[in-house]
Amino acid sequence: DGGITQSPKYLFRKEGQNVTLSCEQNLNHDAMYWYRQDPGQGLRLIYYSQIVNDFQKGDIAEGYSVSREKKESFPLTVTSAQKNPTAFYLCASSIPGQEMGYTFGSGTRLTVV
Amino acid sequence: AQSVTQPDIHITVSEGASLELRCNYSYGATPYLFWYVQSPGQGLQLLLKYFSGDTLVQGIKGFEAEFKRSQSSFNLRKPSVHWSDAAEYFCAVGPVSGYSTLTFGKGTMLLVSP
Repeated sequence: DGGITQSPKYLFRKEGQNVTLSCEQNLNHDAMYWYRQDPGQGLRLIYYSQIVNDFQKGDIAEGYSVSREKKESFPLTVTSAQKNPTAFYLCASSIPGQEMGYTFGSGTRLTVV
Repeated sequence: AQSVTQPDIHITVSEGASLELRCNYSYGATPYLFWYVQSPGQGLQLLLKYFSGDTLVQGIKGFEAEFKRSQSSFNLRKPSVHWSDAAEYFCAVGPVSGYSTLTFGKGTMLLVSP
């Protein structure tokens, strides 16, 4: 079955360390997105990519970086510059236009101690 | 700028009772509108979507939503709530053109009492 896989489900890191969250999709979707979710904050867009080798900053890109070397993959790196990295991170993908909405992964919960 | 408001942070409904979750949006033209549901610790699942045409749209799990242009609203309804409906619900809006990002509301947490 096609879908989006985020790994790992839970991730723990020490403060000051960079960490990379994986997002892989086999839906043949062109566009991919990273959202951060905090209680009471809804979903906030970090980065998105409409095509391979191209990506744009979202509303809260500071302290994060991404790459899009393959259509299937859109990893997110949480750098030490991110002041409050502990959160639930969601990856999503979509086709051109909005007809189908987004397909979401099951998320990665990052805890920085 | 587009925005989505879900006025209710929490709603508690008795099992078997009807449900209405409110969503108001701000946008320059008629957008695409979506409702998603999220169980704890999981990703979001699409419940239903509106693009054009009939303003009452049917979704999965017995949910429906009505688009009211004059009120800039897209409220989600269900005639009879089941305990398994307890989850967080998100309304989202997106432009009707090519690639663009969806804007999400902050969510409404639905609690179902016995």
